[in-house]
Amino acid sequence: GAVVSQHPSRVICKSGTSVKIECRSLDFQATTMFWYRQFPKQSLMLMATSNEGSKATYEQGVEKDKFLINHASLTLSTLTVTSAHPEDSSFYICSARGGSGTYEQYFGPGTRLTVT
Amino acid sequence: GDSVTQMEGPVTLSEEAFLTINCTYTATGYPSLFWYVQYPGEGLQLLLKATKADDKGSNKGFEATYRKETTSFHLEKGSVQVSDSAVYFCALSDENKLIFGTGTRLQVFP
Repeated sequence: GAVVSQHPSRVICKSGTSVKIECRSLDFQATTMFWYRQFPKQSLMLMATSNEGSKATYEQGVEKDKFLINHASLTLSTLTVTSAHPEDSSFYICSARGGSGTYEQYFGPGTRLTVT
Repeated sequence: GDSVTQMEGPVTLSEEAFLTINCTYTATGYPSLFWYVQYPGEGLQLLLKATKADDKGSNKGFEATYRKETTSFHLEKGSVQVSDSAVYFCALSDENKLIFGTGTRLQVFP
């Protein structure tokens, strides 16, 4: 149980365009979802935390207007990278956590974004 | 702020060898500590955890003990298998957020 999927697994886009990444909890309701970014040979960096039905909380240094997060349902969160630039190329990972009293996060397989 | 430091990889071992991956942390409070594993092409999975000092987490033959005096949470396994080849992440919880180390790639050869 506790499976989280991400789509797409890989995406290539041109500079200036926007790209949307989906994160779905397949067999549980995720009250909280997290978005991470991972650079090569570096740790996962938390970008933002989103609770279903409310605005995401962004970590310091993360541009909320550039990385739009929507958590409209208990099974789906989306991350939209707007006006992408080559420096946005990275591996984006989401995780999901269930209801109150549960702290374990379940991770998706990640999305490789390449901006040309 | 809180942080996690783990040994750089890759760690290369022969099957049945003993494994240690070092992890130390810096935290102002009393965090819970975790080891996550990421197999090729898959998401991170929780391997084991410890929530207070002197707790030992264990799973699938892996163990780690929460050492407050040395601020460490080293991962150990007595006899690794080829199927253990993966990237291992040490992490701590900080106000419901996870802070990760850089990950250590383990390669086990037959």
